[in-house]
Amino acid sequence: EVQLVESGGGLIQPGESLRLSCAASGFSVSNSYMSWFRQAPGKGLEWVSMFNPDVTTHYADSVMGRFTISRDKSQNMLYLQMSSLRAEDTAVYYCAKSGYSYAWGYWGQGTPVTVSS
Amino acid sequence: QSALTQPPSASGSPGQSVTISCTGTSSDVGGYNYVSWYQQHPGKAPKLMIYEVNKRPSGVPDRFSGSKSGNTASLTVSGLLPEDEADYHCSSHAGSKYWVFGGGTKLTVL
Repeated sequence: EVQLVESGGGLIQPGESLRLSCAASGFSVSNSYMSWFRQAPGKGLEWVSMFNPDVTTHYADSVMGRFTISRDKSQNMLYLQMSSLRAEDTAVYYCAKSGYSYAWGYWGQGTPVTVSS
Repeated sequence: QSALTQPPSASGSPGQSVTISCTGTSSDVGGYNYVSWYQQHPGKAPKLMIYEVNKRPSGVPDRFSGSKSGNTASLTVSGLLPEDEADYHCSSHAGSKYWVFGGGTKLTVL
C-alpha cells in the first residue's frame, strides 16, 4: 500500500528556512514522479515542485530560486528545502506521487507551514 | 488568482446530478487531454477522481464523469450522495508551467 507522510512544518519567521520531509512506503521514490503541492488557507491547490525518475527537477515560478526539491533513495524520502520564506508561503504542504498519466493519485496528509513574525 | 476558473459553489439534492465547470486557455485545458479532478473533504488530503479528462482511477464510482470541450472541462456527479459534499479542484497540465489548478468549487448536497 502506498503511503506518504509529511513532516517538518511549523511556525517560522519571514526570511528564515525550513525543510519539509516526506516519508514514502509501499513503493520506491527513485522510480516515481513525485511532487510537492501547497494550499494556502481558504485557497485552491498550487503545484510547487516536481522530482522526476531521471533526476530532473522543476519548480513553480513563485518558488524558483528559493525552494529546492531532493530525494534520498536509501531512506525512500522526498524533501523540500525552503529558504527566504515569505508570508505568502503560508500553506499546508502536501507531497504526492503520480501513478496516473499526468495526475497525482497518492497524497500525504499534509504539513502546515506558517510564515509570520 | 488561480490559472483555471471554477465556480466557487455548486449544489444539488440527493439523487440529482450536478456539473462543475473549469475554464482555462489553449495553453492548458484546451491544449492537452490531461485534465484531472480532485475531491477534498475538510481537513483532508485531495483524492484523485478523474484523470486524462474522463478516466476514473480504480475505486472511484462511475457516478463521477469528466468531459472537455475547447478550453472548458467539466465534472459531473450523478446520483448525488451526502458524502459527495466536498471541495472539488480541477487541474490541467500546462506545458512548461507543468500543472495549474482552479480555485476549487464547494459542492453542497442539500
